[in-house]
Amino acid sequence: KNEVEQSPQNLTAQEGEFITINCSYSVGISALHWLQQHPGGGIVSLFMLSSGKKKHGRLIATINIQEKHSSLHITASHPRDSAVYICAVRGSNYQLIWGAGTKLIIKP
Amino acid sequence: DSGVTQTPKHLITATGQRVTLRCSPRSGDLSVYWYQQSLDQGLQFLIQYYNGEERAKGNILERFSAQQFPDLHSELNLSSLELGDSALYFCASSVVEGSYNEQFFGPGTRLTVL
Repeated sequence: KNEVEQSPQNLTAQEGEFITINCSYSVGISALHWLQQHPGGGIVSLFMLSSGKKKHGRLIATINIQEKHSSLHITASHPRDSAVYICAVRGSNYQLIWGAGTKLIIKP
Repeated sequence: DSGVTQTPKHLITATGQRVTLRCSPRSGDLSVYWYQQSLDQGLQFLIQYYNGEERAKGNILERFSAQQFPDLHSELNLSSLELGDSALYFCASSVVEGSYNEQFFGPGTRLTVL
């Protein structure tokens, strides 16, 4: 079993839909990252959180430390949100443990 | 633009060859991380440097080595290249090495080994 599991692996939705991507982890962590990888390959850090909830524009990230679970939500999704969304957790050392990513396609 | 630069953007070479990938961290960042992303695979952590010293090692092959120079730029050296080394190589930087510091990613170097 992977230490970081993301679901779903692939998600296709219509423009305007509310999107939820989930991340579960099995290790003790100090922080969790959500990143976005564009089709061209570039990686952008979206959020880093260790508790509660963060919001940036149409993106919301939540984390429940007790349940070892985080969610990334996208409101009013748009085709430009199409990308791979990656969850990564930072364990007791300084290394990040990466999820396999969720490939999101938003159709117009 | 994250402020992290990587060169070259693309690199095509042959098996058995040796290449050097370069990364310049964001101004003020002391920590540099190298990652490998093979086709349809997740990111694999290779190695981390902090202020010139190796801090953590991940799944880095013995054929690969890295260093961080006094001006804080870093180089990843890949030798005796194999077809399976074809991948995107990302560099990331952060201010310090602490757990709560966000990493900023460079645009990546796409290596193709023929």
